[in-house]
Amino acid sequence: DGGITQSPKYLFRKEGQNVTLSCEQNLNHDAMYWYRQDPGQGLRLIYYSQIVNDFQKGDIAEGYSVSREKKESFPLTVTSAQKNPTAFYLCASSIGTNSLPTEAFFGQGTRLTVV
Amino acid sequence: ILNVEQSPQSLHVQEGDSTNFTCSFPSSNFYALHWYRWETAKSPEALFVMTLNGDEKKKGRISATLNTKEGYSYLYIKGSQPEDSATYLCAFLADRGSTLGRLYFGRGTQLTVWP
Repeated sequence: DGGITQSPKYLFRKEGQNVTLSCEQNLNHDAMYWYRQDPGQGLRLIYYSQIVNDFQKGDIAEGYSVSREKKESFPLTVTSAQKNPTAFYLCASSIGTNSLPTEAFFGQGTRLTVV
Repeated sequence: ILNVEQSPQSLHVQEGDSTNFTCSFPSSNFYALHWYRWETAKSPEALFVMTLNGDEKKKGRISATLNTKEGYSYLYIKGSQPEDSATYLCAFLADRGSTLGRLYFGRGTQLTVWP
């Protein structure tokens, strides 16, 4: 089945440690996105990538890093510089802007808790 | 940052009631407007992708309209059922500049349908 897979579903880390969230898609999509959701807030964009080896900062990129070495993979690293990393993280992909503006497909999310 | 507003923030209705909510977005640089349904413990799923002023789309009991000149879209649910309970998100896609390719999400409308 085609789709987006995020792993793990739940993640616990100690404060000060970097952690990497996985996002893999087999939809052959060019564009991939990382969003963060906090209680009572909407989805906020962390980073997005329109093509392999290229990515742009979203609205809340500070304390995060990404890579896009392969079309199907867009891992997100939450660094120790992120002041409030505990949140729900959602990965998405879409065909890309050079095609019709088709919908985004989402993973199941990763709930990160930093203690 | 482009502003996408959704209202109301939450809505409680009885089974069988019809309801509607609003998404407001910038009327300039419009490329597409997406509606998603996000059920608890699931991934957001696309309902509609709308691109043309005056677009009207329908899927079962759910329909949506689009006015790009004034920057709003309405989502209607006819005869609400408990299974319609979810958060409904709209997302704006701009067509140019540094924001090309990124989706701007509203905070969502949380709908609860009581039996």
